[in-house]
Amino acid sequence: AQSVSQHNHHVILSEAASLELGCNYSYGGTVNLFWYVQYPGQHLQLLLKYFSGDPLVKGIKGFEAEFIKSKFSFNLRKPSVQWSDTAEYFCAVNVGEYGNKLVFGAGTILRVKS
Amino acid sequence: GAVVSQHPSWVICKSGTSVKIECRSLDFQATTMFWYRQFPKQSLMLMATSNEGSKATYEQGVEKDKFLINHASLTLSTLTVTSAHPEDSSFYICSAPGNLAGELFFGEGSRLTVL
Repeated sequence: AQSVSQHNHHVILSEAASLELGCNYSYGGTVNLFWYVQYPGQHLQLLLKYFSGDPLVKGIKGFEAEFIKSKFSFNLRKPSVQWSDTAEYFCAVNVGEYGNKLVFGAGTILRVKS
Repeated sequence: GAVVSQHPSWVICKSGTSVKIECRSLDFQATTMFWYRQFPKQSLMLMATSNEGSKATYEQGVEKDKFLINHASLTLSTLTVTSAHPEDSSFYICSAPGNLAGELFFGEGSRLTVL
């Protein structure tokens, strides 16, 4: 079965620090990759996605993620975090033959100290 | 963007009772909706796929008789936790697909506590 691993459950950073959240998946075929974010008190929402093409994808609010096929990874990065980035971040994988089904990682709670 | 709304956002019930959670797509139609369950510090686990006009598709290990799903219209899916027990206490989230494969719009979630 497909699985998604997020390396850290809690991350605490100061404002302006750089962020990298790890995500690895287990599936050998074609995948679509996503990062979802849940800000405090809000719905889960899509941050960025990778379907094909350039493995470096850019999302909203300055976030980017790089798909490295050989490492089965899709790490999320931001050069300089802000207090407003405090949220929970979920990596997710959609396997083509499963339609819209997503397999989620356990999530990483990011707290940015002002 | 598309909006999905759940109700109630939290509910407390006694063991043995049944609880219904509603999931509505507010500004679009959804022939399919997904129900997830989230345990503390764990990932969202897909429970079932709700299909308008037909039976829901349950994931392996999910009890169909315990978690009744009905997709009555193109904008409403319901999850009923029947004869709830404390181990059913959890955070339940619904979602509806967007136009792109794997893109989902999520409800705000419903926290169920069974005493």
